[in-house]
Amino acid sequence: DQQVKQNSPSLSVQEGRISILNCDYTNSMFDYFLWYKKYPAEGPTFLISISSIKDKNEDGRFTVFLNKSAKHLSLHIVPSQPGDSAVYFCAASAKGTAGGTSYGKLTFGQGTILTVHP
Amino acid sequence: KAGVTQTPRYLIKTRGQQVTLSCSPISGHRSVSWYQQTPGQGLQFLFEYFSETQRNKGNFPGRFSGRQFSNSRSEMNVSTLELGDSALYLCASSRIPGAKETQYFGPGTRLLVL
Repeated sequence: DQQVKQNSPSLSVQEGRISILNCDYTNSMFDYFLWYKKYPAEGPTFLISISSIKDKNEDGRFTVFLNKSAKHLSLHIVPSQPGDSAVYFCAASAKGTAGGTSYGKLTFGQGTILTVHP
Repeated sequence: KAGVTQTPRYLIKTRGQQVTLSCSPISGHRSVSWYQQTPGQGLQFLFEYFSETQRNKGNFPGRFSGRQFSNSRSEMNVSTLELGDSALYLCASSRIPGAKETQYFGPGTRLLVL
């Protein structure tokens, strides 16, 4: 049961244009969403996050949109640059407590390979 | 500020052996989580530690274990290695455990089981 899904395995975009990466989730307990960028044989690099109480968060060229009713989030990169070419993972964590301390297990999507052509 | 460090970066073992991987979190971070990345299963949560206690565990067999030390450094151990344990093992740290605490990842340890 895949609770976080990135249905597009790959996306190809021209430099300077907008890249839109999509992510769907099924668990209504997810409370916090993150996007990570990953190069092969390296750890994921945190890009941007959004809390479930917001519908938009912006950081430079990166904007994340959250549609709770549709259980859908998207990452917009504007303008796209060749250096943005990487695998992008959507991740989510659920509200939960254990012994009074909240914990945050991340559930990841399968990733989308973004290629930005010069 | 130094990021999350993991040692070793690469490891080759044979079936039946055991392995220990190490993770040093970002200075000031007290929560450490471990993830396994494989081509077939993607990134999967292994376990989370805080204050030397395991707070959360993923759906992995008991051969996978871990611990955290008083300085927040963490180790994970895999006993009786199987071919399917070949993966990139990632450690992530955050200030404290929590659904809204951003986790920062290390470069990973690439384990190959022959």
